[in-house]
Amino acid sequence: NAGVTQTPKFQVLKTGQSMTLQCAQDMNHNSMYWYRQDPGMGLRLIYYSASEGTTDKGEVPNGYNVSRLNKREFSLRLESAAPSQTSVYFCASRYGATNEKLFFGSGTQLSVL
Amino acid sequence: AQRVTQPEKLLSVFKGAPVELKCNYSYSGSPELFWYVQYSRQRLQLLLRHISRESIKGFTADLNKGETSFHLKKPFAQEEDSAMYYCALDNYGQNFVFGPGTRLSVLP
Repeated sequence: NAGVTQTPKFQVLKTGQSMTLQCAQDMNHNSMYWYRQDPGMGLRLIYYSASEGTTDKGEVPNGYNVSRLNKREFSLRLESAAPSQTSVYFCASRYGATNEKLFFGSGTQLSVL
Repeated sequence: AQRVTQPEKLLSVFKGAPVELKCNYSYSGSPELFWYVQYSRQRLQLLLRHISRESIKGFTADLNKGETSFHLKKPFAQEEDSAMYYCALDNYGQNFVFGPGTRLSVLP
């Protein structure tokens, strides 16, 4: 039972490079999320997709784009990476009803030099 | 705006001592609150949610609407409780708002 799968687990980029973080869930969840985790700041929402075909900005969307490719997959793209985007990125999903818990991926540790 | 605060970045207690991790929130309406935990090298996982009123691994949390708090408590801390703890608020079913987290260190 895979749950939420994120790739890659680690990545090092140079400033200005682009990359896409992949996320897939096999639980038939409607809602998917991308968070970044920084020391002292907790988890901050970048983008979310409440259902297939919709995406919305979260607290810190600048410098990122997302694609809800289908119900299973939700990717996060950095078009021109900056050192401020060095962080650990988590994908999460849930069925969508209020009070449903989130299921998290294992995270992607990204360093931008 | 919806907000979750956790005033302690780091909390150190000795094994067997009581522990309380503080969480306060601001929210218009009836809040749905959660505690998530991240053990070393593991993904975040749900510890408990207030609506189920259950006790997980000896932890409990009571919602106090008057004080807008949802503090996490355990009467006797264990070394395996050392982890990062996040308080979270379900934001009208759209997404979650997380607090900054408290790192709990249980000393032998």
